[in-house]
Amino acid sequence: DAGVTQSPTHLIKTRGQQVTLRCSPKSGHDTVSWYQQALGQGPQFIFQYYEEEERQRGNFPDRFSGHQFPNYSSELNVNALLLGDSALYLCASSVTGEWEKLFFGSGTQLSVL
Amino acid sequence: DAKTTQPPSMDCAEGRAANLPCNHSTISGNEYVYWYRQIHSQGPQYIIHGLKNNETNEMASLIITEDRKSSTLILPHATLRDTAVYYCIVRVRAGGSQGNLIFGKGTKLSVKP
Repeated sequence: DAGVTQSPTHLIKTRGQQVTLRCSPKSGHDTVSWYQQALGQGPQFIFQYYEEEERQRGNFPDRFSGHQFPNYSSELNVNALLLGDSALYLCASSVTGEWEKLFFGSGTQLSVL
Repeated sequence: DAKTTQPPSMDCAEGRAANLPCNHSTISGNEYVYWYRQIHSQGPQYIIHGLKNNETNEMASLIITEDRKSSTLILPHATLRDTAVYYCIVRVRAGGSQGNLIFGKGTKLSVKP
């Protein structure tokens, strides 16, 4: 059983560009959350998707947007990249009613130059 | 959500029990205590959670004091693979699929041979 898979694993972009990160949840999971982790910090919640809708959002600007597909996979889009967007982006999946038992992928390391 | 306080780092000898403390003196009656850990270059991993009773699973034990103002995560026989950052999180366990976890900086546990 594959766990949560994320692609790509590493990405380098320049300021002002746009980026799309992808996530496939663990089999049987229907809820996907995205977190941003800066170096030396704990993960910070970006948003959560369930039934193809954004259900909850953290304190992130609307440059950060997402999507969930009918097969429960998800994308995170970041527009107008800033240097401060450089971080590890983590996707987590969970089952309805057990959102607190998150299964995380290994993340996408984004570097903005 | 109640705030948590954890020591920034701890050492433990391989084979010995690792006891990781967490202070949550402002915890509310309906807030649960969750523990996650993050091994280097991986996403966080769920360990255990509890409300007021002590809990045990295949990974660890969670001891919550009677006044619920603090808790201890116990790894009974620490191995080198338990070297990780351990996060203590306090959160209301809302129903449905909506929710997010607020990670602090955690405790860096180093298990030494």
